[in-house]
Amino acid sequence: AQTVTQSQPEMSVQEAETVTLSCTYDTSESDYYLFWYKQPPSRQMILVIRQEAYKQQNATENRFSVNFQKAAKSFSLKISDSQLGDAAMYFCAYRSAFGGATNKLIFGTGTLLAVQP
Amino acid sequence: EPEVTQTPSHQVTQMGQEVILRCVPISNHLYFYWYRQILGQKVEFLVSFYNNEISEKSEIFDDQFSVERPDGSNFTLKIRSTKLEDSAMYFCASRDIAGTYNEQFFGPGTRLTVL
Repeated sequence: AQTVTQSQPEMSVQEAETVTLSCTYDTSESDYYLFWYKQPPSRQMILVIRQEAYKQQNATENRFSVNFQKAAKSFSLKISDSQLGDAAMYFCAYRSAFGGATNKLIFGTGTLLAVQP
Repeated sequence: EPEVTQTPSHQVTQMGQEVILRCVPISNHLYFYWYRQILGQKVEFLVSFYNNEISEKSEIFDDQFSVERPDGSNFTLKIRSTKLEDSAMYFCASRDIAGTYNEQFFGPGTRLTVL
């Protein structure tokens, strides 16, 4: 079974600085998708960025980028120029590329990011 | 932009009572999901639904749970006899059949409190 591990329960960053959130996963599958979701205090789940395993190029979305290391099964999220609005719980998630109708998301335990003004 | 909606936003119920959580997925989506998040814990998969039947369910989704798509727009999660440990945030999600990432779009969640 696939697992997702986030080893940092909490992180803190100064406004305008850069922070990296770690995520590792375990799978025997060759193709899959990886996601970072943001959950602000409202608890809405917001997709931040996504990566497909067969793509070597790291995904980037404005101030958010990932460092995807397939061999190491690592998928870290880098937030540049941190803003107060980035403060939230961040979840790393895995989804198989197989499985058809199921394609459930498997989440890590989350990292609570605080942004200091 | 189309979005997944959920009602109610907060439901308070007595232990042993039945609750129905409602979701309206994005209109052209064909796959539907329920996830649960107990306060302070990770989001956990409950069930997936496609073509009017359950395609996968987790060990959490026991006989007390059921899902239904009663019409062309709603997708419901029923808990027949709620327990204290059912208190959680329940998220509905849906996705389209097409698209590279087959992204799941989440609703805002329903907070269920069982007293």
